[in-house]
Amino acid sequence: NAGVTQTPKFRILKIGQSMTLQCAQDMNHNYMYWYRQDPGMGLKLIYYSVGAGITDKGEVPNGYNVSRSTTEDFPLRLELAAPSQTSVYFCASSTSFIGRGAHLPSGANVLTFGAGSRLTVL
Amino acid sequence: AQTVTQSQPEMSVQEAETVTLSCTYDTSESDYYLFWYKQPPSRQMILVIRQEAYKQQNATENRFSVNFQKAAKSFSLKISDSQLGDAAMYFCAYSTSRTGTASKLTFGTGTRLQVTL
Repeated sequence: NAGVTQTPKFRILKIGQSMTLQCAQDMNHNYMYWYRQDPGMGLKLIYYSVGAGITDKGEVPNGYNVSRSTTEDFPLRLELAAPSQTSVYFCASSTSFIGRGAHLPSGANVLTFGAGSRLTVL
Repeated sequence: AQTVTQSQPEMSVQEAETVTLSCTYDTSESDYYLFWYKQPPSRQMILVIRQEAYKQQNATENRFSVNFQKAAKSFSLKISDSQLGDAAMYFCAYSTSRTGTASKLTFGTGTRLQVTL
């Protein structure tokens, strides 16, 4: 069971170039997320998706685009790369639970992360 | 908006000793989840422990336990019998617990734990 797979692991871009970070999960999770981690900082949410065809902005969406055409895949597109986008990018997924109250199963609301993609924009 | 604060950028502990990492958070919600994630040099984010706010009992996972003080909005992580493999960056995180919603995590800035012989 591969979990969450991100490609590429490393990439160097020139200012103004575009690229797509790929993310795939094989756990049939409804929810998927993209985070970025700047040096010495915690992770910040870029975009998330609650299911195929549905995406929404997180805390730091500017300069990025996402799509979710299947349950498994959630690519992150960088248009016109800028030095400020130099960061480590993490994709994650989680299960959903439809029910009442806060008494969720132990696996719900727990994110499974990919190994990260280090992007440098020069 | 929720915020998570980790006031200890770095901590050090001797092997086999106990260390406590601090975390405070701010929220207006009554139901939520709190997490500690470990990030070793490999960069992989690994869940250490999870606490559900409605539970009064502190969560434990083997050598890892938390001290959850809901009124004080404090959520510290205690690592007992520290091992060299515990050396990593530790992140405290918060998420809402509303059912059917995405688990959007808010992270603290992390505490780097060193384990010495």
